[in-house]
Amino acid sequence: KAGVTQTPRYLIKTRGQQVTLSCSPISGHRSVSWYQQTPGQGLQFLFEYFSETQRNKGNFPGRFSGRQFSNSRSEMNVSTLELGDSALYLCASSLVSGSSTDTQYFGPGTRLTVL
Amino acid sequence: AQTVTQSQPEMSVQEAETVTLSCTYDTSESDYYLFWYKQPPSRQMILVIRQEAYKQQNATENRFSVNFQKAAKSFSLKISDSQLGDAAMYFCAYRSRAMGANSKLTFGKGITLSVRP
Repeated sequence: KAGVTQTPRYLIKTRGQQVTLSCSPISGHRSVSWYQQTPGQGLQFLFEYFSETQRNKGNFPGRFSGRQFSNSRSEMNVSTLELGDSALYLCASSLVSGSSTDTQYFGPGTRLTVL
Repeated sequence: AQTVTQSQPEMSVQEAETVTLSCTYDTSESDYYLFWYKQPPSRQMILVIRQEAYKQQNATENRFSVNFQKAAKSFSLKISDSQLGDAAMYFCAYRSRAMGANSKLTFGKGITLSVRP
């Protein structure tokens, strides 16, 4: 069974641009969560999508948005990029949302560099 | 809001020896999950072990075991017979089990473990 895939793996953008990152969960998984990882702030929760609905959102500005498609693939978008958005963006998938027995599986991440 | 604290940024262990990684957390909830995740240099985050707060028995997975002290809000990870492949960053994480809870994980800052041959 294929794992969580994220594309692209590396991305370089300039300030003010926007970017879209993609996450394909493990087949059959319907929950996708996104995290931002930086050396200073560590791992911070961005949002979670389950069955095309946003279930929870972290404390990030409105420039960060996401969506989920009917096949459970998810995208996150960052508009008007700032230098501080440079980070590793991880997505994680699980069968359902908040299940007691569910395990979240992480993708390899997308490394975003903003110049 | 829940917080997770890993106060040791780095640790080192000799191959084949035992090492304990510390984690404390703060929550007003009584029901939750705790996890240890491993992130090797390849960056792929891997679940090492999980603990349900309602279970008194400490979780064990092969060479990995936890010491869960609910009253003290402490959750340490013990790695026995350390191997070179254990070298990685380890994150302690919390997840609520409240009604309507989702999959959000709250992570500590992580600890970098190096293994000396």
